[in-house]
Amino acid sequence: DAGVIQSPRHEVTEMGQEVTLRCKPISGHDYLFWYRQTMMRGLELLIYFNNNVPIDDSGMPEDRFSAKMPNASFSTLKIQPSEPRDSAVYFCASSGQGPHSSYEQYFGPGTRLTVT
Amino acid sequence: DQQVKQNSPSLSVQEGRISILNCDYTNSMFDYFLWYKKYPAEGPTFLISISSIKDKNEDGRFTVFLNKSAKHLSLHIVPSQPGDSAVYFCAASGAGNMLTFGGGTRLMVKP
Repeated sequence: DAGVIQSPRHEVTEMGQEVTLRCKPISGHDYLFWYRQTMMRGLELLIYFNNNVPIDDSGMPEDRFSAKMPNASFSTLKIQPSEPRDSAVYFCASSGQGPHSSYEQYFGPGTRLTVT
Repeated sequence: DQQVKQNSPSLSVQEGRISILNCDYTNSMFDYFLWYKKYPAEGPTFLISISSIKDKNEDGRFTVFLNKSAKHLSLHIVPSQPGDSAVYFCAASGAGNMLTFGGGTRLMVKP
């Protein structure tokens, strides 16, 4: 398996523009997580899905952020409109079933977002 | 309120010596703990984990110790190698599948 795939790897956009980040989880994994990493807040969970259904979105910072998982192999995180303070590295991670295997999350390489 | 804390932002160790990375948590509901390693421009990778029913788990050069009464865990790397230089995150899980991460410790192993 190629692991968790994220695109794009880098995104530079202007304030006010819409940004869409994409993720393909590991095949067979039924949990998908979106994280954001910043110097100030570290690695924080934004939202996670189980079997394509959003379970907890309490980490989503505000209504400008939205996430979807239309099928088991694809998820998007959208920011509209984007602001400079959204600049961060966004990671997608997935995990599988089992007593503890669902805790062992596999991360993608991340998308570095810069909003100017 | 940070529920998982790594109080040392960085650690420098000589090659061949032991590296000890520490992590403290406040939530007594956490029952599973993990360590991740992160290289620049890559996502974190799972390293080792421990359940709250154990106090030690070992995998090759890596050992994780858990002290539940002190709400403290540590990662020991013996012997340390230059390739171990990375940022290490501890993470904790309670009910559900969410992980709470610490702020990370940057380990530098000098040849």
